[in-house]
Amino acid sequence: SQKIEQNSEALNIQEGKTATLTCNYTNYSPAYLQWYRQDPGRGPVFLLLIRENEKEKRKERLKVTFDTTLKQSLFHITASQPADSATYLCALGGSNTGKLIFGQGTTLQVKP
Amino acid sequence: GAGVSQTPSNKVTEKGKYVELRCDPISGHTALYWYRQSLGQGPEFLIYFQGTGAADDSGLPNDRFFAVRPEGSVSTLKIQRTERGDSAVYLCASSFGRGLLGNEQFFGPGTRLTVL
Repeated sequence: SQKIEQNSEALNIQEGKTATLTCNYTNYSPAYLQWYRQDPGRGPVFLLLIRENEKEKRKERLKVTFDTTLKQSLFHITASQPADSATYLCALGGSNTGKLIFGQGTTLQVKP
Repeated sequence: GAGVSQTPSNKVTEKGKYVELRCDPISGHTALYWYRQSLGQGPEFLIYFQGTGAADDSGLPNDRFFAVRPEGSVSTLKIQRTERGDSAVYLCASSFGRGLLGNEQFFGPGTRLTVL
């Protein structure tokens, strides 16, 4: 069955450093991958979309890579700030359905 | 409204009871999605609508779960004979255009369902 794995342990980094979060998947060939941010008690908020034929996407301090051979996406936050502290979810989507398959999320804590 | 709204925000019920959860999507969004999220897990897909019809209901766990969207806007998720294992946060999301294009999904705050 389809499986998505994100860093299970919380990621703690110092303010100003680059945070790198990993999303690995198996038994699936997604047409695209999305990253969402979720704060406690709130719904996920969309951050970035990358399609299967794209290698890298950037938006302000965010960068996403997508390697369909390795079946892996990396999500980077440069110059991290305490306000970036949240849970980050990766989600895979197919070409014949609008549903998203989410990973379990990685909690990022940025310390001042 | 400005965003996706869900009511109620919290629902406590007893095992065996029937519950309805409501979702008001962003105006003009044709695709609507239901997910549920357990503590420490990512959202789990249940069903999505394109307009009034269910385009993909492969995530509904069993026939106790049913969802409708009769006029292509508001949707109701209905759970019959609730079980303790149904306790979770039920999230609704909507997106502009057809859901197949990977359009970003806008999520509501969720309904926290607790089955005693």
